[in-house]
Amino acid sequence: DGGITQSPKYLFRKEGQNVTLSCEQNLNHDAMYWYRQDPGQGLRLIYYSQIVNDFQKGDIAEGYSVSREKKESFPLTVTSAQKNPTAFYLCASSIGHGYTFGSGTRLTVV
Amino acid sequence: DAKTTQPPSMDCAEGRAANLPCNHSTISGNEYVYWYRQIHSQGPQYIIHGLKNNETNEMASLIITEDRKSSTLILPHATLRDTAVYYCIVSKRTSYDKVIFGPGTSLSVIP
Repeated sequence: DGGITQSPKYLFRKEGQNVTLSCEQNLNHDAMYWYRQDPGQGLRLIYYSQIVNDFQKGDIAEGYSVSREKKESFPLTVTSAQKNPTAFYLCASSIGHGYTFGSGTRLTVV
Repeated sequence: DAKTTQPPSMDCAEGRAANLPCNHSTISGNEYVYWYRQIHSQGPQYIIHGLKNNETNEMASLIITEDRKSSTLILPHATLRDTAVYYCIVSKRTSYDKVIFGPGTSLSVIP
């Protein structure tokens, strides 16, 4: 079945460590996105990529980095510069109308 | 800036129609209205979209006013599994436009 796979589902890290969240899709979608969601809030855009080897900052890119070396993959690195990294992270992809979302990664920094 | 305005919460009796409103008074001519829903701790799920005509699929109906400044998502026979946060989004075709998700409407379906 086609879809988006985010791994791991839960992730714990110590403060000051970088961590990379995986996002893989087999939908042949051109565009991919990363969103952050805090409790009781909507989704905020971190980074998005419309084609391979190209990506743009979203509204809250500070402290995050991405790469898009393959169409299928769009990993997100949460760096130590991100002041409040504990959140629910969602990856999505699209081609035309409508987004397909992954099931999310819940990151907790202790 | 938010492009849409939705009530923060709504209740609906099980088996009745759930009508979720959305205001998008600044929508431009080439922007579509999209609806998604998010069940707790899962990724949002696409429901339906429309440009200016009313649309229906197996999940819901979308009614867009003639001036396109507001719309209503209708779940014809709400079930407990429809309890979720519903997001109304306005954007161009999503491949070419970043999408802004507001806080949405938290729908509670009551037995």
